[in-house]
Amino acid sequence: GENVEQHPSTLSVQEGDSAVIKCTYSDSASNYFPWYKQELGKRPQLIIDIRSNVGEKKDQRIAVTLNKTAKHFSLHITETQPEDSAVYFCAASMSTPLVFGKGTRLSVIA
Amino acid sequence: SQTIHQWPATLVQPVGSPLSLECTVEGTSNPNLYWYRQAAGRGLQLLFYSVGIGQISSEVPQNLSASRPQDRQFILSSKKLLLSDSGFYLCAWSEAANYGYTFGSGTRLTVV
Repeated sequence: GENVEQHPSTLSVQEGDSAVIKCTYSDSASNYFPWYKQELGKRPQLIIDIRSNVGEKKDQRIAVTLNKTAKHFSLHITETQPEDSAVYFCAASMSTPLVFGKGTRLSVIA
Repeated sequence: SQTIHQWPATLVQPVGSPLSLECTVEGTSNPNLYWYRQAAGRGLQLLFYSVGIGQISSEVPQNLSASRPQDRQFILSSKKLLLSDSGFYLCAWSEAANYGYTFGSGTRLTVV
């Protein structure tokens, strides 16, 4: 089955700097890659996703890139703000259900 | 628009007591439904998922069970809770395979 590795487990950045979180997946048939943000005590929320027919997708300050050959995808957050502090989860899937990474705790220091 | 309801928000139960958590989705039909558990500061552990009424797939063999008595209703149950069942339980739905999940607000269960 699919296996998703996520790095780093924790990440601290200064406000205004960029943050990058990387995930690798094992099943080359996976074709859907969402990212979720979970604030403390809250539910995970979908922030961006990408499908295997696209190499990059942007939404304001966040972007996701996908390298199918290397089987890895990354979340990029630019101009980080304190409200970006949260746990971020990547996931991969060919069919239900999604396989999640173990999460990255991002702290943005003002 | 679609909404997902999950209740209760918090629950404190003694060891050995039964459990029933309910999740319902509105505004869609035949959704894929999921139950996840999250231990404090940890990742998302898939417990059960369902692609249709009466169709339940279990990912983790333990003292929990799930049922889908109606198209948009998903229930997580236990006959006897263990201390290790404590955690944050999240229900989620998706339109189909390979679509993003929408999570419910979660139930924080503490077994004492």
